[in-house]
Amino acid sequence: DTGVSQDPRHKITKRGQNVTFRCDPISEHNRLYWYRQTLGQGPEFLTYFQNEAQLEKSRLLSDRFSAERPKGSFSTLEIQRTEQGDSAMYLCASSPRDTSYGYTFGSGTRLTVV
Amino acid sequence: QQQVKQSPQSLIVQKGGIPIINCAYENTAFDYFPWYQQFPGKGPALLIAIRPDVSEKKEGRFTISFNKSAKQFSLHIMDSQPGDSATYFCAASIGGAQKLVFGQGTRLTINP
Repeated sequence: DTGVSQDPRHKITKRGQNVTFRCDPISEHNRLYWYRQTLGQGPEFLTYFQNEAQLEKSRLLSDRFSAERPKGSFSTLEIQRTEQGDSAMYLCASSPRDTSYGYTFGSGTRLTVV
Repeated sequence: QQQVKQSPQSLIVQKGGIPIINCAYENTAFDYFPWYQQFPGKGPALLIAIRPDVSEKKEGRFTISFNKSAKQFSLHIMDSQPGDSATYFCAASIGGAQKLVFGQGTRLTINP
């Protein structure tokens, strides 16, 4: 296990379609985070899990967004009825229980809504 | 209260120079301040992080200076190289590396 894996790397979808992204964290990490990054900006927090429990959600995560981590391993982020404003890089990160260690980010999924 | 303000937006330095990137925060509850480096098409990678109980931390060519009273911290890159050309983000959080609040980023270019 060499890092955080995200799939797909790129996704182009038509407005109104649903999309789902997957994140596989580093296996021994129990915390998993989703961030969104638009061009020229820093990442913005969306949500985070400790094991399978979703502990915090940002106001950015509208009711069209849902995230799951069903067995405390991989996670999925679904966006329903996509809008052009959803176009961004969606980043997943993981960290161990000891918060003195930083995150490891994946390479992200770039979503383009046309 | 939750913002982290980063400057400059972009910076060009000659090889061997010492680029300095600055960040300021408002929320005194922040207790973890990392710096991330991001190359195009990649996720951010942790460079170095500091807690507010120390004023300086060095790791290799990277140094964080922290001024708790001014609520500011900065990244210095010694002996900069063209390979250091990337976007750098400061961040802050409460309770260690949990929910991070990122700065807006600095695009650094090191000319050969």
